[in-house]
Amino acid sequence: QITLKESGPTLVKPTQTLTLTCTFSGFSLSTSGVGVGWIRQPPGKALEWLALIYWDDDKRYSPSLKSRLTITKDTSKNQVVLTMTNMDPVDTATYYCAHSPRGDGSIDYWGQGTLVTVSS
Amino acid sequence: EIVMTQSPATLSVSPGERATLSCRASQSVSSNLAWYQQKPGQAPRLLIYGASTRATGIPARFSGSGSGTEFTLTISSLQSEDFAVYYCQQYNNWPTFGQGTKVEIK
Repeated sequence: QITLKESGPTLVKPTQTLTLTCTFSGFSLSTSGVGVGWIRQPPGKALEWLALIYWDDDKRYSPSLKSRLTITKDTSKNQVVLTMTNMDPVDTATYYCAHSPRGDGSIDYWGQGTLVTVSS
Repeated sequence: EIVMTQSPATLSVSPGERATLSCRASQSVSSNLAWYQQKPGQAPRLLIYGASTRATGIPARFSGSGSGTEFTLTISSLQSEDFAVYYCQQYNNWPTFGQGTKVEIK
């Protein structure tokens, strides 16, 4: 059974750096083809892909946010970490991590999401 | 970046009726398209991938079709639990989502 869970701060100040951790079980990120990604959803708005990391440590980022994002993995801990710099109130959103079974951006399992509010 | 456009924004349907949701890509995405259902306060759930393959455990009343730039999600007979927001997502290039279609009770 695949599960993912996001953890991190619920409130950050503008200009700060956000660090979110995705802890997963039921699969290995060293399995060929697998990816784990981050998606966000501002309140009442649509979903937006942020970053994706593959089993071979290849990484892909949203073109519009690439300069602010870093995604890393710790295969031994079954964790994926996303950092986003220079946070702004428009970054207020629920942040989801997700399992991509073919590493192509299609998602079969999602975490429950964590709401991050950016406010001073 | 490929832009996904969903229509209509809101669809009002009576229980038992058929619902047809559309999704258009700004350029061809082949069959690299997925549909998700999202209910309030919940994470999305995968319904369809590869444009027409139902995900594990998804009822047969959900079906997907299309390729290239035009896609359709059909719910053959709406059940009470199907009233939700539906998103399409392409994964042919950097993945992008549509803005969603809300299916509400008529």
